[in-house]
Amino acid sequence: DAKTTQPPSMDCAEGRAANLPCNHSTISGNEYVYWYRQIHSQGPQYIIHGLKNNETNEMASLIITEDRKSSTLILPHATLRDTAVYYCIVRPPSGNTPLVFGKGTRLSVIA
Amino acid sequence: GAVVSQHPSWVICKSGTSVKIECRSLDFQATTMFWYRQFPKQSLMLMATSNEGSKATYEQGVEKDKFLINHASLTVSTLTVTSAHPEDSSFYICSARGPGDTQYFGPGTRLTVL
Repeated sequence: DAKTTQPPSMDCAEGRAANLPCNHSTISGNEYVYWYRQIHSQGPQYIIHGLKNNETNEMASLIITEDRKSSTLILPHATLRDTAVYYCIVRPPSGNTPLVFGKGTRLSVIA
Repeated sequence: GAVVSQHPSWVICKSGTSVKIECRSLDFQATTMFWYRQFPKQSLMLMATSNEGSKATYEQGVEKDKFLINHASLTVSTLTVTSAHPEDSSFYICSARGPGDTQYFGPGTRLTVL
């Protein structure tokens, strides 16, 4: 079973920041938070991951609460091409552990 | 970097035939690859974990004799759907353990069994 909870859908105006929440209240101390997105009929695309510090890359920022029980993915300036299903996944550090996908959040960016 | 390819991107076959899907890590070696399938309007479901040079580990409910996985090299894993039937029609996606232990996904293969 997925260990994360995400809203099923969200809308965001083009050009505005999209803030996607994720609850992972049962996360273990060594588990990372990963975010992927899947654009229709494509394979999932890696976005970002973190352990406890906030992270930023060219795609997004990841804010993890101090107690690590929730996180927020921020797309600073959403475009129509960011319309996708976004998955928040927790996973131990071993690369041999597969990602288990929940239902994710369907983000619709509206012009 | 960290690109994973899949071939073919789509395939249509007749019921009872076998179909092979190839997953390839293009710019890194992948000792571990994973196979998922996705039915319409559903999330990805893990089918199996494939380790180079050893037998794949299948998830509960996935028939290992029907979904044959071979991972004979550090860059290629193949999934063969044997004696395919219409209920096997799905979107098959592979991923590979890449740099930083991050999983990188292929673009997927859409299988339609008539």
